[in-house]
Amino acid sequence: DAGITQSPRHKVTETGTPVTLRCHQTENHRYMYWYRQDPGHGLRLIHYSYGVKDTDKGEVSDGYSVSRSKTEDFLLTLESATSSQTSVYFCAISEQGNTEAFFGQGTRLTVV
Amino acid sequence: GQQVMQIPQYQHVQEGEDFTTYCNSSTTLSNIQWYKQRPGGHPVFLIQLVKSGEVKKQKRLTFQFGEAKKNSSLHITATQTTDVGTYFCAGTNQGGKLIFGQGTELSVKP
Repeated sequence: DAGITQSPRHKVTETGTPVTLRCHQTENHRYMYWYRQDPGHGLRLIHYSYGVKDTDKGEVSDGYSVSRSKTEDFLLTLESATSSQTSVYFCAISEQGNTEAFFGQGTRLTVV
Repeated sequence: GQQVMQIPQYQHVQEGEDFTTYCNSSTTLSNIQWYKQRPGGHPVFLIQLVKSGEVKKQKRLTFQFGEAKKNSSLHITATQTTDVGTYFCAGTNQGGKLIFGQGTELSVKP
């Protein structure tokens, strides 16, 4: 498996609290992605990055922000968590924007 | 914006039957990728198609990319229980945005 690590793997948080998920890679890939996976919706793109400090919105970016201050780390922040953000979050990396993507193990987030 | 639709959402087959999932994009794609996700796991890359009309095979799996580069299909011949999982297509545009379809969940009855 590609060197990609998500942390934490599981988290339970209360509504209204800020939450940050981390994606760390050791592959020096240029592209990094954050997806959420919910039953019936497949994988929906939240934000992605095409380089350090270069990010763009995906399909479901409202309520989320991201930062990429160095190649290996891509952070996803929920400024004020809501119950609708309960989901499984996957990070993915890709060497270029049109090459295969490698996924992390996922983070299960529950907002109560 | 770019949308990728995938059907069917679920498919239940008897072991040995064939299976097909279809993917359609609202825009022309640079390429199409296919992934498999086993229950409880993460998506794993299967293949990428780039050329218009391209067909690729991996053992019992056949992948096609449409002439207009807006649709694709995955066909599994003679399914086995090891084929169980969710199959996703994903399209990229020139900006590198990787958009997934909703996936097709395949269950195989022995």
